[in-house]
This record gives sequence, C-alpha cells and structure tokens, in this order.
Amino acid sequence: NAGVTQTPKFQVLKTGQSMTLQCAQDMNHEYMSWYRQDPGMGLRLIHYSVGAGITDQGEVPNGYNVSRSTTEDFPLRLLSAAPSQTSVYFCASRTASTGYATYEQYFGPGTRLTVT
Amino acid sequence: GNSVTQMEGPVTLSEEAFLTINCTYTATGYPSLFWYVQYPGEGLQLLLKATKADDKGSNKGFEATYRKETTSFHLEKGSVQVSDSAVYFCALSDMGSQGNLIFGKGTKLSVKP
Repeated sequence: NAGVTQTPKFQVLKTGQSMTLQCAQDMNHEYMSWYRQDPGMGLRLIHYSVGAGITDQGEVPNGYNVSRSTTEDFPLRLLSAAPSQTSVYFCASRTASTGYATYEQYFGPGTRLTVT
Repeated sequence: GNSVTQMEGPVTLSEEAFLTINCTYTATGYPSLFWYVQYPGEGLQLLLKATKADDKGSNKGFEATYRKETTSFHLEKGSVQVSDSAVYFCALSDMGSQGNLIFGKGTKLSVKP
C-alpha cells in the first residue's frame, strides 16, 4: 500500500513552459485535492475532485488545470509557468463516504517547483 | 468565510518543556478540527482530530480540546522531545464545501537538547 505518490520530487521550469505534476493513490479514495505551500501562507487549496469526471476550483485555481479520468490519478497541469507558481505542491486524498468531513486527508510527499 | 488563525512561530523550547500552540477558528456550522504535523522534507500527516464540541483528540502525548464557546483548538504537550521538532498546522473542514480543509499558516517548533 503506497498511499499517495507524487512525481517528480523536484522540478525547475522556465517562465512560459508547461508541465504536469502527477498524483496517484491506491486507497480507492473518491476525494482528491491539490494544495500549494508557500512560506508564511500555510496550505492553500488549488483544485479538488470528489470522483472521476468531477472537479472543482479551490482558493487559488488560476494558472492550473486538473482532470480526473480515474479514481486513482489526479494530475495538476501548469499551462504557462510563472515565477509566482514557485512553491511546494501537495496532493492529498480522503474517503468521500458518509461523515467524510471527519476523516483525515492523506498527503503525498510533495513536489518542489521552481520557475525561473 | 471560514478561517483558522494560529500562533505564528518560530517556537523554540528546551527538551521536556511544556508546549502550547494556540489555534482559533471562524466557521459556520460544526466543523471537524485537525492538527497536522510536517516533519522536515516530508508531507503532512494527521496528528489528532476532534469532530464535535468538547471532544479531546490525543496522540503521541499531544492533545487538543474542541472548545466551541471560545472557538479554539489549542495544541498541548506536557514534555516535548527533540523528535517533536516540526511544523504544526491547525485546520478545519469546510462543511459547506465537500469538507475541504482550511489551514492556519503553521507554527514551526524547534526543540533543543
């Protein structure tokens, strides 16, 4: 049981480049989410999904795209990278069963992205 | 809207000292409250949680009580160890938005031997 996995661990992009951050979970969780972590800002929600084919925006969605074609995978796409997107990105998952708001989210190890 | 305010650090303590990290929240309804911990270079992991008023969450010597009257969920530990050095995040689940987590800004704790 690998839990939540993220690739790559580190990435450097030039302004304007695009890339996809990968996230996968093997716990059959319906809910998956992406956060970014910036110094002094805590974690802020980018996008989330409550099941295959269903996605929604979080607090800071601009410049990011997501899709959910399978229960296991939830990739995050940067369409045209900007220096303001330099951050650490975390993917997380949780059950969406009854009482879902009381359950913990399981986090991946993170991707550290630098945009120059 | 919903929000979480937690004491900003960094906090530096000697081993065996008492720890308190304050956390207050603003929310409609009755959210669940969480403390997550992030060790250096790692992702977040759940430390403890409480799902209703007056519940006490506890784990690894840490505890926090859900106080609805003061909208607080302060984290405490009676005797910290060097291995407790980490960043601690208070969070609530947004009942109106699929249980999305809203985090405080985090408190970095360093424990010296």
